[in-house]
Formats: sequence, structure tokens, C-alpha cells
Amino acid sequence: KAGVTQTPRYLIKTRGQQVTLSCSPISGHRSVSWYQQTPGQGLQFLFEYFSETQRNKGNFPGRFSGRQFSNSRSEMNVSTLELGDSALYLCASSGDPQGSMGYEQYFGPGTRLTVT
Amino acid sequence: EDQVTQSPEALRLQEGESSSLNCSYTVSGLRGLFWYRQDPGKGPEFLFTLYSAGEEKEKERLKATLTKKESFLHITAPKPEDSATYLCAVRRPGGYNKLIFGAGTRLAVHP
Repeated sequence: KAGVTQTPRYLIKTRGQQVTLSCSPISGHRSVSWYQQTPGQGLQFLFEYFSETQRNKGNFPGRFSGRQFSNSRSEMNVSTLELGDSALYLCASSGDPQGSMGYEQYFGPGTRLTVT
Repeated sequence: EDQVTQSPEALRLQEGESSSLNCSYTVSGLRGLFWYRQDPGKGPEFLFTLYSAGEEKEKERLKATLTKKESFLHITAPKPEDSATYLCAVRRPGGYNKLIFGAGTRLAVHP
């Protein structure tokens, strides 16, 4: 099975711009989660989507949003970029919709976003 | 509040020198403790999931164990290619697939 894929892998944006990142989960996985990783804060949960619905959200401002399509692919958007948004954005997929036992989460390679 | 604390922050070992990494957590009703390995600039690579106290899992030179308050990742006779950051994460009831991560342990294994 192909793993989780994320595009683009690298991105450079200017403050005030917006950005859209894409994630394709493992085939058959319907749960997609997004995380932000920075040296200072580590890995922090952004949100999770299942069946095109956001059902879990972390403590991030409303500038961070996402969506999921009927084929389970997901996108996240960050509007009005700030310097502090520079990070590695990671997507993870799971075959279990409930977060119950017996299912793992697999991460993609990430998108490195640099805001200047 | 749910918390995950990993220690030490960094560990330097000589090749063949066994050691353990610690992950302590405060989560009521744990729904899984996860170990990941992350190489620089890459996404976390899944290693193990543990669900109940007393459970153990092994993979090559790695062995993960779980108690009611902490988990250990034992590394036996490490090699330089085991150098990476090891991340611990927990899932709580009602959190669906949300993982709460520790800060990680940076492991360097020298020849």
C-alpha cells in the first residue's frame, strides 16, 4: 500500500499571504488528522476530519482551517500568514473512525512551510 | 490536564551500549500509547502501540513496555542507524484519533 502523501513538500510564503496544503491518506483510511511541528512547541494537534466533517479541533486560531473531500483527501488552509506559522505540517491517517483500540496512525513526510 | 513527559531530552550512546527512554503520562482511561521514530526533516515513523499495563512489544533492537503511569523504550545494543528522535504520544477517550505528544528524546549513537 502506498503511504500518506503530502504536497507540496516545501513552501516559502510571505507574511499576510495564505497557503493551502494537501494530504492524501492511505487507501481505505477515512480519518485524516493534521499536526503542526515546531522546535519550541513540538507536535501539536490541529484538527481531524472524518467523512468530510471536522470532529476534533486543537487550540489554534481561526486562521487555520481545513476540509476533507469525498475521496478522503484533505486540505488545510492558513490565511494571513504570520512568521510564527513557519513549521513542519504533518498529516496522519487512520483506518479507524472512532479512535478505538487496534488501529494505528501513519504520518506523511510533511510540508515544510517557511514564512518570511 | 493530559500531559506526556519524555526523558531524557537527549541521549548519547556508544554503539552497543543499551539504554532506556522514558515516557510518563497523565491521561485517564488511556486508549493507546504510541511510539514513533522521527528522522530530521521527515514525518514520524510508527513503531509500536501499547494498550494495557504489562503489555510489551518488540521490533529488532527495540522493546516497548507499559505501566499505568509510564512507558519505556528499551534499546538493546544500538547501532548508529538507530540515531533519531523518539516520540511518545497518547490517545484519550473521546478524542477520536487525536494524539497528545511528548517533546521527544533525541538519541545519538556513535560508532
